[in-house]
Amino acid sequence: SAVISQKPSRDICQRGTSLTIQCQVDSQVTMMFWYRQQPGQSLTLIATANQGSEATYESGFVIDKFPISRPNLTFSTLTVSNMSPEDSSIYLCSVGGVGNQPQHFGDGTRLSIL
Amino acid sequence: GQQVMQIPQYQHVQEGEDFTTYCNSSTTLSNIQWYKQRPGGHPVFLIQLVKSGEVKKQKRLTFQFGEAKKNSSLHITATQTTDVGTYFCAGPPNAGNMLTFGGGTRLMVKP
Repeated sequence: SAVISQKPSRDICQRGTSLTIQCQVDSQVTMMFWYRQQPGQSLTLIATANQGSEATYESGFVIDKFPISRPNLTFSTLTVSNMSPEDSSIYLCSVGGVGNQPQHFGDGTRLSIL
Repeated sequence: GQQVMQIPQYQHVQEGEDFTTYCNSSTTLSNIQWYKQRPGGHPVFLIQLVKSGEVKKQKRLTFQFGEAKKNSSLHITATQTTDVGTYFCAGPPNAGNMLTFGGGTRLMVKP
């Protein structure tokens, strides 16, 4: 399976600031996804990162708050903008997951906002 | 939209006891997948079931997919402390759709 590197692994940020999370895959993949996992909760899909076009956002998530880049088939970034304490979560990137493909996750970014 | 529910939310067991988590979808699934997330870790794919009524085993873990392809279960025989973590089921309503994750069952094992 693909090796997925995500950074930073954790960060503590001030409210009102923004943080960009990077996800690097060791092979070209068609689909890359960004998830949020709030403390003690399940995984919620934020968006699908599309190479060469705008990301596809799920209900409740907007581009202004979570801008995503996908410049090529091995890399994506997620920015959490204008952060508030409610954004404190684990953010995970993943590949695969369409149809019969299992998903493989990066190690996640543990984000705390003060 | 599709909903995937898991019960129980939490389970404490004594080491050596069995454990079962149940997964129910509001819609028919093309396949069901199971993931394990250790404390402080990320979800790791365990197994995928595709056929109606399918049963698969991985050592002490037994996975079942219901006949109607709307429910599934994971059974662990004789739990060990290494089984600690949260188990998630996930499935798409049909091939090509995104996965929807269940709420997860957090397993705690007392040595």
